[in-house]
Amino acid sequence: DAMVIQNPRYQVTQFGKPVTLSCSQTLNHNVMYWYQQKSSQAPKLLFHYYDKDFNNEADTPDNFQSRRPNTSFCFLDIRSPGLGDAAMYLCATSRLSIPHGYTFGSGTRLTVV
Amino acid sequence: AQKITQTQPGMFVQEKEAVTLDCTYDTSDPSYGLFWYKQPSSGEMIFLIYQGSYDQQNATEGRYSLNFQKARKSANLVISASQLGDSAMYFCAMREGLNQGGKLIFGQGTELSVKP
Repeated sequence: DAMVIQNPRYQVTQFGKPVTLSCSQTLNHNVMYWYQQKSSQAPKLLFHYYDKDFNNEADTPDNFQSRRPNTSFCFLDIRSPGLGDAAMYLCATSRLSIPHGYTFGSGTRLTVV
Repeated sequence: AQKITQTQPGMFVQEKEAVTLDCTYDTSDPSYGLFWYKQPSSGEMIFLIYQGSYDQQNATEGRYSLNFQKARKSANLVISASQLGDSAMYFCAMREGLNQGGKLIFGQGTELSVKP
């Protein structure tokens, strides 16, 4: 089945140690999004790619970076994780020609120790 | 300013009864879409229902219906015949114009608990 896959499902990283979360899709969607969701809060958009065009949200910290080497893959890099970066990270994709066609991955739950 | 507002942090409903979860939104874009998602404790986002701003009729999907009142800018979710498995967090979300990359903006969520 076509889907959005996030790896790993759970990630534990040390304070200050760079970490990369990955997202892959088999839907051939042209837009990929990264959301951060802290406990009991709404998902918050960090950035998105429209094809190769990177779009950063104004309040996304510089500590967060992203790469999209091809249509299928998108990575979230946290350069120096702090305790406040512990959260669920959700990847989503969409094809803008289908207004309601969003697909979410299962998320990566990040713990910072 | 909040673009999506869910005023009910938590709701309780008796099994087999109907429940309405409130959502109001704010946008000046004439083209937008409204979504409801269910998020169980496992964390995945499960799509429930969608309403486009130009849709004439309220959306329905099985036990889910969306009460869309455009003039009031509200998009309430109605779950009929609640089941124990409906206990979860529910998020209302809005997609503004497609020229903004179609990003979804989420409300704060409502935690629904279904009592046996």
